[in-house]
This record gives sequence, C-alpha cells and structure tokens, in this order.
Amino acid sequence: AQTVTQSQPEMSVQEAETVTLSCTYDTSESDYYLFWYKQPPSRQMILVIRQEAYKQQNATENRFSVNFQKAAKSFSLKISDSQLGDAAMYFCAYNSGGGADGLTFGKGTHLIIQP
Amino acid sequence: GAVVSQHPSRVICKSGTSVKIECRSLDFQATTMFWYRQFPKKSLMLMATSNEGSKATYEQGVEKDKFLINHASLTLSTLTVTSAHPEDSSFYICSAIGQMVYPYEQYFGPGTRLTVT
Repeated sequence: AQTVTQSQPEMSVQEAETVTLSCTYDTSESDYYLFWYKQPPSRQMILVIRQEAYKQQNATENRFSVNFQKAAKSFSLKISDSQLGDAAMYFCAYNSGGGADGLTFGKGTHLIIQP
Repeated sequence: GAVVSQHPSRVICKSGTSVKIECRSLDFQATTMFWYRQFPKKSLMLMATSNEGSKATYEQGVEKDKFLINHASLTLSTLTVTSAHPEDSSFYICSAIGQMVYPYEQYFGPGTRLTVT
C-alpha cells in the first residue's frame, strides 16, 4: 500500500521569508501523481501544486515550487515570500491508477506565518 | 469552473437515525466521485470511490452497510450514514474528477460536518 509521510506537524516562518515543507512517499508504481493541498480554517481543500511523476521538471506556481526527487521518493514544497494568507494546514497527497484512484494523504503540516 | 458543492454544510441528527449528504458537480460531468472522512486535527481518509451507475468501491475497514453511496448521475453522488452513532460524528468531504485539462485532478466540495447526539 502507498504511504505518504509528512514529518513536520508544525512549521513557523516570518512573513516574506521562505519555508520548505517536507513530504516523502512510498510506492511500487512507476506512474503516479503528487499534490500539495492547502486547507485553511474554512476546511475547503485548495490545490496548491501538482506534479506528474513522469515529468522530471519540478512544478512551479507563482510563489510555490516543489523539489521532486523521484529516486528518493521525496516531494517537498517551497513557499517563497510567505504571506499571512498562506497560514493553513498543508497536506501532501498521492494517487496512481492514471489518476482515477482516491488520494492518499499525509498527516499534514500546520504552517504558521509570523507577522 | 470545476465547482463541487455539498449539502448540507452542517447536520445534527439523533443516534439511530439516518442522514444523507449530497455531493454535486455543478459545471462538469464527474466520471468518478470520492468520499473522504476527516477527524478533528487529522488528515483525510478515503472512504469509498463511486462511478456513475455502478456500485461503490469501499476502502478496507469502511462498513458498506453503514455508509451507503449512490452515484445516480454524472453530477450527483450521495452518502447516507445509516443508524448513526456518536462515533460517526466527523467532517465528510467529497471530491470529483472529470474530463478536464488535468483529468486526474480532484475537485473538492466544501465538506459536511455531521454531529450525532
């Protein structure tokens, strides 16, 4: 079974600085997808960034970027120029089956932004 | 685009009764819908996967007779919690995938908070 591990229950960063959230996963599949989701207090799941495993290039979305290390099964999220609105729970997630499978989530990292 | 709604957003029911939660894809046809459960300060756990017109596939440990899932159309899936007990109190979230730019990307509903008294 696939597993996703987030080893940082909580992270704190000063506003405008950069923070990196860690995620590792375990799978025997060769084709899969990885995601970072943000869950603010409203509890609405918001997609931050996606990465297809077959792509070597790391995904970027404005201030958000990932460091995808396929051999190491690592998928970290870097948030640059942190903003107060970035404060939330962040979940790393995985799926395979051509993307038609349900997501396996990590336990989450609570990100605190210090003004 | 790609909006998923859930109804109700909050529901309180008495122990032993049943409650139905609806999940709708508003602007796309959902080939597959998923149901997740989230306990307070915990992660999301996949409960089941449903495809339109076929029986849902439940994850190990999820009671299919307690959590009835019906995916009657390409835009609607329902989760019925039967004979609810206080331990069924939780936050239930649905998601959907369709023939989008990224067909593997799940779009999430806003969730339903169920409280069983």
